[in-house]
Amino acid sequence: QLVLTQSPSASASLGASVKLTCTLSSRHSTHAIAWHQQQPEKGPRFLIKLNSDGSHNKGDGIPDRFSGSSSGAERYLTISSLQSEDEADYYCQTWGTGIVVFGGGTKLTVL
Amino acid sequence: QLQLQESGPGLVKPSETLSLTCTVSGGSISDTSYYWGWIRQSPGKGLEWIGSIYYSGSTYYNPSLKSRVTISVDTSKNQFSLKLSSVTAADTTVYYCARHPSSYWYFDLWGRGTLVTVSS
Repeated sequence: QLVLTQSPSASASLGASVKLTCTLSSRHSTHAIAWHQQQPEKGPRFLIKLNSDGSHNKGDGIPDRFSGSSSGAERYLTISSLQSEDEADYYCQTWGTGIVVFGGGTKLTVL
Repeated sequence: QLQLQESGPGLVKPSETLSLTCTVSGGSISDTSYYWGWIRQSPGKGLEWIGSIYYSGSTYYNPSLKSRVTISVDTSKNQFSLKLSSVTAADTTVYYCARHPSSYWYFDLWGRGTLVTVSS
């Protein structure tokens, strides 16, 4: 079964960097994923599509502070130079044949 | 710039059918490069994919909702729609429409969402 696992919460200080993790089920370790950001009281926004080799493409207008990387079944979203508006929920998402799956989301707190 | 906008009743009675429409503006729903999808999010909870449709009418549904869901497309109006039957309080969520490429099913454009409450 295609499953994405995320830690429920993360925190980092203003101006620092943070790395969020999304783990694919072991049988699906080569799948690409996407990261989405959901700021409070807003709809989700597409950030990055991330391949298993770490190559990625970003959504329109997404700052360079957002980047993605991969290692095995893990997909990462790194946010550098954290700003207050980065405090949000971050969801990873993947797909299989005729199906879409979301991770449970990580709530990022900027201290 | 392509935009998606959900519309429909904000209140539905239990056991009835929820109906929502997503209007695509600034682009064509018949673009062969994309599918169009519905996603929902319960208050304080995560995202759940409901299903996706191609302009030709080809559909894919979440197995957990498949028995109650119908997604359709109206290319003449540049809209696609969601019907969810036999609703209960558990279907009280924010519903989003979104777009994903045909080849890689990641949502690259989202609507703002609309809250639907199921209550008598």
